[in-house]
Amino acid sequence: SQQGEEDPQALSIQEGENATMNCSYKTSINNLQWYRQNSGRGLVHLILIRSNEREKHSGRLRVTLDTSKKSSSLLITASRAADTASYFCAQSGGGSEKLVFGKGTKLTVNP
Amino acid sequence: ETGVTQSPTHLIKTRGQQVTLRCSSQSGHNTVSWYQQALGQGPQFIFQYYREEENGRGNFPPRFSGLQFPNYSSELNVNALELDDSALYLCASSLVRQPSYGYTFGSGTRLTVV
Repeated sequence: SQQGEEDPQALSIQEGENATMNCSYKTSINNLQWYRQNSGRGLVHLILIRSNEREKHSGRLRVTLDTSKKSSSLLITASRAADTASYFCAQSGGGSEKLVFGKGTKLTVNP
Repeated sequence: ETGVTQSPTHLIKTRGQQVTLRCSSQSGHNTVSWYQQALGQGPQFIFQYYREEENGRGNFPPRFSGLQFPNYSSELNVNALELDDSALYLCASSLVRQPSYGYTFGSGTRLTVV
């Protein structure tokens, strides 16, 4: 299977703490994307990092990419209760039009 | 600018029946992709339509079929429903087939097959 994996599967933290989620993938990529999903609803695109980039920031989000290890991490700083959701990484590339998603990390931020 | 709209939001069908799910893409987007998300899993790619033509298909049987209309809205049809088809079906639109800025997803259709 080409499916990547997120780690950990579940994460519970206190409001104000930082949350780090990791993603590993198996094939070559053009870019790697992170999405958020609230309560089994639609996915919201958070950030995209290209294969030639190593780090990218967007507000409280920081994404890193290590193509030699085929891994990426998403850091959410100063978390809020509203950040409670499932987070998915999705790889794009290899000449394919599809996104390959991992199984996600379920983040709970306690007030 | 409108986002991606999917209908219906929830649906209950009996095994063996047929179902049609609908998706209106974001204004200006000519590419629609469909994904199936089983409970507790990540979304899996079903197929993509670009300018009314199928542009790639995932590992799904032929009873999963689709259509894209001239206004770029799309339908997903599933024949001979099976219990394992119970899932959240997500539609995503983009301006090009492999966007460099991510996809816009709809809120999904929750299909339950009994």
